[in-house]
Amino acid sequence: GAGVSQSPSNKVTEKGKDVELRCDPISGHTALYWYRQSLGQGLEFLIYFQGNSAPDKSGLPSDRFSAERTGGSVSTLTIQRTQQEDSAVYLCASSLAPVADTQYFGPGTRLTVL
Amino acid sequence: AQTVTQSQPEMSVQEAETVTLSCTYDTSESDYYLFWYKQPPSRQMILVIRQEAYKQQNATENRFSVNFQKAAKSFSLKISDSQLGDAAMYFCAYSMDSNYQLIWGAGTKLIIKP
Repeated sequence: GAGVSQSPSNKVTEKGKDVELRCDPISGHTALYWYRQSLGQGLEFLIYFQGNSAPDKSGLPSDRFSAERTGGSVSTLTIQRTQQEDSAVYLCASSLAPVADTQYFGPGTRLTVL
Repeated sequence: AQTVTQSQPEMSVQEAETVTLSCTYDTSESDYYLFWYKQPPSRQMILVIRQEAYKQQNATENRFSVNFQKAAKSFSLKISDSQLGDAAMYFCAYSMDSNYQLIWGAGTKLIIKP
């Protein structure tokens, strides 16, 4: 079946603009995660959604970052008033079960803030 | 706090030879999961192998196997008969049995020499 998809694959924006990144998880997966990966670094957890529960936003670096998940499926990560330090690859993952289950990743969105 | 350490920023191996990537972790938990993920230049994070801490037997997936030393908190990945397609960043990750969050190492870049 189809894997996790993300769009756009690349996004170049100017400092101060807002951007929206989209994630389509694997059908039937109840858990969805967003990570940020800066150049040459490991993954930094941003936010987690599980079913209809309130999301865990503990990893969001500032209030300029927000995310929503509509209908328990598609998720959108929004970054307002982008800064150059927001430049990174943003990865989305989904899993069938929320606890210690294998996470399946999308190809990521490379965000460049000029 | 749990941490994952990959002490080798970069490793290289001749095609068809065997290479071992190291990973150590710190935790006070007794039940947890360990993962190796591969990230090729395409950015797609791909699960290589998964190990449940309660299992004494080392996990194996074709040419990939792990050496899990629970007392030493070590989880190394062995790649046998290295192929050009194995070239990628390899990340070690940890997850508690009761928690969905993955704790990631900084990664090891694997270079395959033809």
